[in-house]
Amino acid sequence: GAVVSQHPSRVICKSGTSVKIECRSLDFQATTMFWYRQFPKQSLMLMATSNEGSKATYEQGVEKDKFLINHASLTLSTLTVTSAHPEDSSFYICSARLWTSGSDEQFFGPGTRLTVL
Amino acid sequence: LAKTTQPISMDSYEGQEVNITCSHNNIATNDYITWYQQFPSQGPRFIIQGYKTKVTNEVASLFIPADRKSSTLSLPRVSLSDTAVYYCLVGDPYNTDKLIFGTGTRLQVFP
Repeated sequence: GAVVSQHPSRVICKSGTSVKIECRSLDFQATTMFWYRQFPKQSLMLMATSNEGSKATYEQGVEKDKFLINHASLTLSTLTVTSAHPEDSSFYICSARLWTSGSDEQFFGPGTRLTVL
Repeated sequence: LAKTTQPISMDSYEGQEVNITCSHNNIATNDYITWYQQFPSQGPRFIIQGYKTKVTNEVASLFIPADRKSSTLSLPRVSLSDTAVYYCLVGDPYNTDKLIFGTGTRLQVFP
């Protein structure tokens, strides 16, 4: 099956620093990737839709200048949390959309645990 | 995108069959029903997808009544490793741009 990886799996940083999270589709090309955030014991919340070669589409309430998304290739999307603060501590999950003949599925990465001190 | 409603949590014992029901009263004609499983600190994993009647795979069965306003995920003979959160999503897989997750059902399996 299709595999999506994320790097790093967990990161701890100081308040005010920026953190970059990578999402890669390992064995397929993904023109569309999605970024989610999940707080403890809560559901996944969609943050933005990342389209290769174009600007990301952010969900309402998500600050585009704080959560920078770049989808420069068909297998890589990055999420940069700029000037991170403790309230940004969360579990960040990406997914990649795979189009095949008669099928459209999303495959999820393993997630990245961000802790901001 | 149709909204879904699931029980917040369920408890079961090893070896029992677990049925999790999801309500989706506003499901559209082209919508499919998809269930995902999520373990703590992991990304969601696809379990099963269906449009109507019954779908079965090696992991679970999905029962969808004729009006399609609800669906039931059936897990046969659960084990401790089935303890997870189960999400029901409704959408058109051939045109869905994004997945909107509901609250999910937290299943706890006891020995």
